Amino acid sequence: DAKTTQPPSMDCAEGRAANLPCNHSTISGNEYVYWYRQIHSQGPQYIIHGLKNNETNEMASLIITEDRKSSTLILPHATLRDTAVYYCIVRPRDNTDKLIFGTGTRLQVFP
Amino acid sequence: DAGVIQSPRHEVTEMGQEVTLRCKPISGHDYLFWYRQTMMRGLELLIYFNNNVPIDDSGMPEDRFSAKMPNASFSTLKIQPSEPRDSAVYFCASRRSAGQPQHFGDGTRLSIL
Repeated sequence: DAKTTQPPSMDCAEGRAANLPCNHSTISGNEYVYWYRQIHSQGPQYIIHGLKNNETNEMASLIITEDRKSSTLILPHATLRDTAVYYCIVRPRDNTDKLIFGTGTRLQVFP
Repeated sequence: DAGVIQSPRHEVTEMGQEVTLRCKPISGHDYLFWYRQTMMRGLELLIYFNNNVPIDDSGMPEDRFSAKMPNASFSTLKIQPSEPRDSAVYFCASRRSAGQPQHFGDGTRLSIL
């Protein structure tokens, strides 16, 4: 399974874009990049996933580099409620049973 | 839509007692997962079910832990006897089918004294 590396913490001003990086240099061709977040005292929440094309939904955008060795989750207008731990997970598309949550990035959005 | 529902939200009990955690998955979801989260080990998968059948229980720490899914709308995780090191937040998650994202409940915070 591809290993991911994320910075332990980041800060972002409210209203600004939050760009959370993830390195997955050993990703294989059939593996997707998934992003989840965990707000304090809640269960993890699915955000977005992608294979090689950039993806966007109502929560965020996912930018994957052309060589697929890294990606960036973008929260375009961060709010205080986006303060959470963000997890980048790499899994085969047909085997997302065993999600392996690393230590993630703790994003603090400040006023 | 109702999400994954877990009960109780908090449980405090003494060592040696039996503990039962409950989970109601999202209707129509065929997969159910049990996770445990601690500061030391992070979020770990304990066991998961597909169509009420246990598929992989390799994450269950020891024989004191057991999980059942008697029907598509209910699952239990039981610890007997409980020990202080079992103190953690236990999450249940469900998903519709392979490849779909997992949806988590808000967890049960378990404290064993």
